[in-house]
Amino acid sequence: GESVGLHLPTLSVQEGDNSIINCAYSNSASDYFIWYKQESGKGPQFIIDIRSNMDKRQGQRVTVLLNKTVKHLSLQIAATQPGDSAVYFCAETYDKIIFGKGTRLHILP
Amino acid sequence: ETGVTQTPRHLVMGMTNKKSLKCEQHLGHNAMYWYKQSAKKPLELMFVYSLEERVENNSVPSRFSPECPNSSHLFLHLHTLQPEDSALYLCASSQDWRGGGTGELFFGEGSRLTVL
Repeated sequence: GESVGLHLPTLSVQEGDNSIINCAYSNSASDYFIWYKQESGKGPQFIIDIRSNMDKRQGQRVTVLLNKTVKHLSLQIAATQPGDSAVYFCAETYDKIIFGKGTRLHILP
Repeated sequence: ETGVTQTPRHLVMGMTNKKSLKCEQHLGHNAMYWYKQSAKKPLELMFVYSLEERVENNSVPSRFSPECPNSSHLFLHLHTLQPEDSALYLCASSQDWRGGGTGELFFGEGSRLTVL
């Protein structure tokens, strides 16, 4: 079946470095993608989205890249801070929203 | 504060109990959702309501019974649950449900359910 997956369940990054979290999706018809952040004890929160007619979108300290050729989505976080510690989910949408399993980002001091 | 409030935040119940989870959204959205979040699994969509009508029911066991009395409130009634139903139950809302859920979901903080 169709699914969205992330390459790594856990990622450890030094504070101040850039983080890159990857996601592979399987439905080439998906036209809208979202990254969510879930901190401990909280629900997922929207970070950034991108439509399939774009290949890059920037927010505050975050950038999402979409490569439709290889069906790959990535989230880049610049100058990672302790407050970025969380689980990050990608989600794709065509006729329904499908979430990936999530990558837990650890920030090393 | 996401504008979606869930109660209770934690619930412990026996397999013979009947309890309910409550969700309220203050965002004026038309669609509301129940998701189940288990360890090491993707979020599982359980139910979707759009303008108080159920639009999706993803083969959820009948021991889970949703109720949407109005567009701001959503309940999940629980009865004769099993230990494997222990999970975080997340409520979400979005502006519209267009058969594809395009658009941002606003999640509550979840209700952590433990079934003994």
